[in-house]
Amino acid sequence: QKEVEQNSGPLSVPEGAIASLNCTYSDRVSQSFFWYRQYSGKSPELIMSIYSNGDKEDGRFTAQLNKASQYVSLLIRDSQPSDSATYLCAVIAPVSGNTGKLIFGQGTTLQVKP
Amino acid sequence: GAVVSQHPSWVICKSGTSVKIECRSLDFQATTMFWYRQFPKQSLMLMATSNEGSKATYEQGVEKDKFLINHASLTLSTLTVTSAHPEDSSFYICSARRRRGSSFNEQFFGPGTRLTVL
Repeated sequence: QKEVEQNSGPLSVPEGAIASLNCTYSDRVSQSFFWYRQYSGKSPELIMSIYSNGDKEDGRFTAQLNKASQYVSLLIRDSQPSDSATYLCAVIAPVSGNTGKLIFGQGTTLQVKP
Repeated sequence: GAVVSQHPSWVICKSGTSVKIECRSLDFQATTMFWYRQFPKQSLMLMATSNEGSKATYEQGVEKDKFLINHASLTLSTLTVTSAHPEDSSFYICSARRRRGSSFNEQFFGPGTRLTVL
């Protein structure tokens, strides 16, 4: 089982719809969770961080964390064609292992169609 | 805030030469910096982790004598690709970790350096 799992997609949604991106992780002691957006040929950009159970909203983005289910998601409301990118879920590796490094999922490609 | 710069943004060099890439955190002090490599259509691959004033920790399979990392200060880390060969051609990306309080660690990426070795 991979440490961080995402559906590679592509996930296709019409413009204006809600895009829902999902991620599961294997290590129960993980405490810090991140969503990055990566456009083709560019470096990743941090869009959300979440550390506590529940929802965290920032503009059109909402991150949801459920530690009991080991599940973190990202919702994008009113999706725009400019949101088309690969979304990377990342978890900080437990301190007992490789200290502090990010463990990435394989990324979900989102396509927002006009 | 939380801006990370890289220089150069792209470089073309001849086989056998060395290339140095700089990574700077512009508006925060980075407790830790990371170097990644990404080939086309592939995932990010962590090469090494560096802390200011100490030796870098390399991931398995990454040659430390080929990829020299110097973390001179809390805002600057450099990666030198020594004796570069065409197979080293890739997109090299650094990132810097900003610590906020005791629990919150956010990691910000530089724009990347595209290396082409002829």
